[in-house]
Amino acid sequence: DIAMTQSPDSLTVSLGERATISCKSSQSVFFTTNNKDHLAWYQQKPGQPPKLLIYWASTRYSGVPDRFSGSGSGTDFTLTISSLQAEDVAVYYCQQYFHTPFTFGPGTRVDIK
Amino acid sequence: QVQLVQSGAEVKTPGASVRVSCKTSGYGFTGYYMHWVRQAPGQGLEWMGWISPREATNYAPTFQGRVTMTRDTSISTAYLEMNSLKSDDTAVYYCAIQLGTSWYLDHWGRGTLVIVSS
Repeated sequence: DIAMTQSPDSLTVSLGERATISCKSSQSVFFTTNNKDHLAWYQQKPGQPPKLLIYWASTRYSGVPDRFSGSGSGTDFTLTISSLQAEDVAVYYCQQYFHTPFTFGPGTRVDIK
Repeated sequence: QVQLVQSGAEVKTPGASVRVSCKTSGYGFTGYYMHWVRQAPGQGLEWMGWISPREATNYAPTFQGRVTMTRDTSISTAYLEMNSLKSDDTAVYYCAIQLGTSWYLDHWGRGTLVIVSS
């Protein structure tokens, strides 16, 4: 199985400041056939299901604000919230969909300072 | 719009079985995979497997032999059945679909809480 790790476990950021979350996979999730990284990011607020933010490591899903961006390739990825808003308080998960079993990172909790 | 409506909470005793349903609307049910993901209280997300439009299944090794995923095209509903329940199967079980071009999950049900307790 591909193991996913995230850091930090939690972070506290002031409103309007940048939040950066790291995700690493135990093996590359870059698929040479389609030249894409099979990595997604999800946001989960308390009592709600996860919501897709980013796929192909850097493509924003429909309706996701442009303050959310994804980057990285191979085994190292980053989710950046460029200017944290109150509604961004949540837990963020990365997920590899390169190979089954699809696996999620342990999550990073983002709070307001 | 796309909707995935899951069945209500369940309380089961250890060793019992549970079946969770996911009724869908707003998209072509017959054309898409259905995934199941669970989340234990206060914990992260765990992918359980998928069922294809043609009813092929792919289960995570952790659940192989204990989980059965099925679908009923006539009522656009998918089912997750799990047997030999243990206390650490207590979790919220989500159904989710991928309408996009790959395995990222773009629509989710609201989840079904399954409590396993004696």
